[in-house]
Amino acid sequence: DGGITQSPKYLFRKEGQNVTLSCEQNLNHDAMYWYRQDPGQGLRLIYYSQIVNDFQKGDIAEGYSVSREKKESFPLTVTSAQKNPTAFYLCASSMDRFSQPQHFGDGTRLSIL
Amino acid sequence: GQQLNQSPQSMFIQEGEDVSMNCTSSSIFNTWLWYKQDPGEGPVLLIALYKAGELTSNGRLTAQFGTTRKDSFLNISASIPSDVGIYFCAGQSGSQGNLIFGKGTKLSVKP
Repeated sequence: DGGITQSPKYLFRKEGQNVTLSCEQNLNHDAMYWYRQDPGQGLRLIYYSQIVNDFQKGDIAEGYSVSREKKESFPLTVTSAQKNPTAFYLCASSMDRFSQPQHFGDGTRLSIL
Repeated sequence: GQQLNQSPQSMFIQEGEDVSMNCTSSSIFNTWLWYKQDPGEGPVLLIALYKAGELTSNGRLTAQFGTTRKDSFLNISASIPSDVGIYFCAGQSGSQGNLIFGKGTKLSVKP
């Protein structure tokens, strides 16, 4: 079955530590996205990528970094510069940036130790 | 920036009742999407709308793309316990491409 796989399901970060969240898709989609979800809030866009080796900042990119070396993979690094990283992180993909809908993975919950 | 107002914020209904929720925007959108999210999981697409005035059904769910292109509605008929979850609307404007999400409607169903 085609879909989006996020790992790990739960992740804990120590102070000053960088952590990387994995996102893999086998839908052959060009565009991939990272969102942050806080309780009672809608999804906010962190970064998106329209094509391999290209990515753009979303609305809340500070303290995060991404890479897109392969079409199927779009890992997100939460750096130590992100002072409030506790949240539910969702990865999504779509055929291209202007095509909808976006399909989502099952998320990674990041907490601070 | 663009914002979506989704209402109601939460609903407590009896099993078998019909449910209505809506999203409004100050901007025109060319696509409206409705998602459902269960606790600890990612949103799942319910219905996608691409034309003003479009009315689309998916089982007991019906969604409409408002004629002004600034709103959308989702109705659930004869609710059942598994309808529990958070329902999100999302809109896309042609000039930007990025999806804008509402804050969600939390639905609770009493058996």
